[in-house]
Amino acid sequence: SQQGEEDPQALSIQEGENATMNCSYKTSINNLQWYRQNSGRGLVHLILIRSNEREKHSGRLRVTLDTSKKSSSLLITASRAADTASYFCATANFGNEKLTFGTGTRLTIIP
Amino acid sequence: DAGVTQSPTHLIKTRGQQVTLRCSPKSGHDTVSWYQQALGQGPQFIFQYYEEEERQRGNFPDRFSGHQFPNYSSELNVNALLLGDSALYLCASAIGLGEQYFGPGTRLTVT
Repeated sequence: SQQGEEDPQALSIQEGENATMNCSYKTSINNLQWYRQNSGRGLVHLILIRSNEREKHSGRLRVTLDTSKKSSSLLITASRAADTASYFCATANFGNEKLTFGTGTRLTIIP
Repeated sequence: DAGVTQSPTHLIKTRGQQVTLRCSPKSGHDTVSWYQQALGQGPQFIFQYYEEEERQRGNFPDRFSGHQFPNYSSELNVNALLLGDSALYLCASAIGLGEQYFGPGTRLTVT
């Protein structure tokens, strides 16, 4: 079963704008990770945030984590056409022995 | 350095048949996990192998079985295929409980 849900399910924005997607989960976690998937192929790891962290940055990516609300957000700044993909959050309870994925957000960047 | 590789890329099988999917982990990785991703859904954890043993298993029936070889490569076997087994099957490798690196997946279609 899915751990949680991403919101929105689909998002279309103009190139250059910022994209924000949210993830909610149900159980206590050790860490939360965000992945990108292009055209139903393999997943690319974007960023990991641990349960004792509140915010993390990597290039144009900013991730926040609120464990009290069991939610996370991924912000992609200055979007590019190449950012068009599906984005998934995944949670791990202990280490990374099992990742539980959300339902994904399909992001379309309009040139 | 080759990443995670999976074979075959695509596969078409008939209901009731059996299928074997293969995964070669990233060089130096000793842990292999398998995920099933139905169309429009997030990946779901099937099981994980470490030191040739199944370390953890998700909520999948016994029709799904696996194996890890001494060189850390892995196979996923599915018996008595159902239409609902049609999905993208993803393999991920890691060093112990570290970050998981995903392969491109095998698209299985059951007719």
